[in-house]
Amino acid sequence: DAKTTQPTSMDCAEGRAANLPCNHSTISGNEYVYWYRQIHSQGPQYIIHGLKNNETNEMASLIITEDRKSSTLILPHATLRDTAVYYCIVRVAGGNQGGKLIFGQGTELSVKP
Amino acid sequence: GAVVSQHPSWVICKSGTSVKIECRSLDFQATTMFWYRQFPKQSLMLMATSNEGSKATYEQGVEKDKFLINHASLTLSTLTVTSAHPEDSSFYICSAPLAGGPNEQFFGPGTRLTVL
Repeated sequence: DAKTTQPTSMDCAEGRAANLPCNHSTISGNEYVYWYRQIHSQGPQYIIHGLKNNETNEMASLIITEDRKSSTLILPHATLRDTAVYYCIVRVAGGNQGGKLIFGQGTELSVKP
Repeated sequence: GAVVSQHPSWVICKSGTSVKIECRSLDFQATTMFWYRQFPKQSLMLMATSNEGSKATYEQGVEKDKFLINHASLTLSTLTVTSAHPEDSSFYICSAPLAGGPNEQFFGPGTRLTVL
């Protein structure tokens, strides 16, 4: 699976958009970009995933560059409850062994009042 | 969304004893589940892949005789930490993928193990 690079930490004001970048310059054509987050002392939570098109769901938006070498997770109106570590993971979709997730260090997002 | 539960949520045990942690997919079947370990201030580390009806697949450096995994049914996987020692104290998390398509994974709430 391709390696990802994320900033170690970020701050965001409550109510503002949080934009979390991820670099994955070695991504392969059949690899998806997945985002998960982990609130302190809880199990990770799936947020969103995409292949090459931008995606949006009730939690966030995912913007993937045309060359697919980087992406940005957008939380449109961050709240204090969005304070968490956000993980960007690149992997081939489906299958059993292909389903395993390898976590990097992630970005620790602090949403401040 | 799909729900994965873990039991117990926390456990304290004496050094040398064995501890069993259960992972259940509550509203879907999972032929595969994954076990992770997380030390304080660190990221999740994949330990092994639990396969229903066959042996688990362990990641490099993880002792299979120490961390016994049994995937007894399509909704239950168990991790037994045998002869636990203080260095095994950690946050253990399981996950299960939802089959079909680019399947996202659903994680349990984690089990905090403290070995005295």
